[in-house]
Amino acid sequence: DQQVKQNSPSLSVQEGRISILNCDYTNSMFDYFLWYKKYPAEGPTFLISISSIKDKNEDGRFTVFLNKSAKHLSLHIVPSQPGDSAVYFCAASALYGGTSYGKLTFGQGTILTVHP
Amino acid sequence: DSGVTQTPKHLITATGQRVTLRCSPRSGDLSVYWYQQSLDQGLQFLIQYYNGEERAKGNILERFSAQQFPDLHSELNLSSLELGDSALYFCASSGAGGHINEQFFGPGTRLTVL
Repeated sequence: DQQVKQNSPSLSVQEGRISILNCDYTNSMFDYFLWYKKYPAEGPTFLISISSIKDKNEDGRFTVFLNKSAKHLSLHIVPSQPGDSAVYFCAASALYGGTSYGKLTFGQGTILTVHP
Repeated sequence: DSGVTQTPKHLITATGQRVTLRCSPRSGDLSVYWYQQSLDQGLQFLIQYYNGEERAKGNILERFSAQQFPDLHSELNLSSLELGDSALYFCASSGAGGHINEQFFGPGTRLTVL
């Protein structure tokens, strides 16, 4: 049962254009969402996050949008740069009984390639 | 550099053996998490410790165990190893500032079971 899904295994964009990575989830208990970037042979690097009480969070070139009714989130990178080429994972966590458990549930990842 | 360190970087062993993976969290972080990344399963949560106590458990096999020590470093013990245990094992930590769920990952330990 995959509770977090990234349906696009790969995405290719031109340098300077917008990259949009998508993520869907099924568990309505999820209340915090994160995006991580991962290079080969390295651990995931935290990029940006959003709480379920918001619908948008922006940090420099990165913006995450959350649509709770559709159980969908997306990461926008503008403008895209060749150095952004990596695997991007979305992750979600849930609050149980007032105690925040840290378990992150990850999607399968999307390989982003930004061409010069 | 996330501030999370993991040793060793690579580990090659045989089926039936036991190994220990070590993790040092970022300074000030009280929570440590272990994840397994295999080719067909993606990143899977194994277990979380908070200030020395087990906080949450995921799909961790009974052959696997973990602990967090008073100095907050953590060890993941894998025993009776099988070929299918070959994977990348990541440690993450959180807590010092920021949201509790903003986890910072170490570089991982690549385990190969032959």
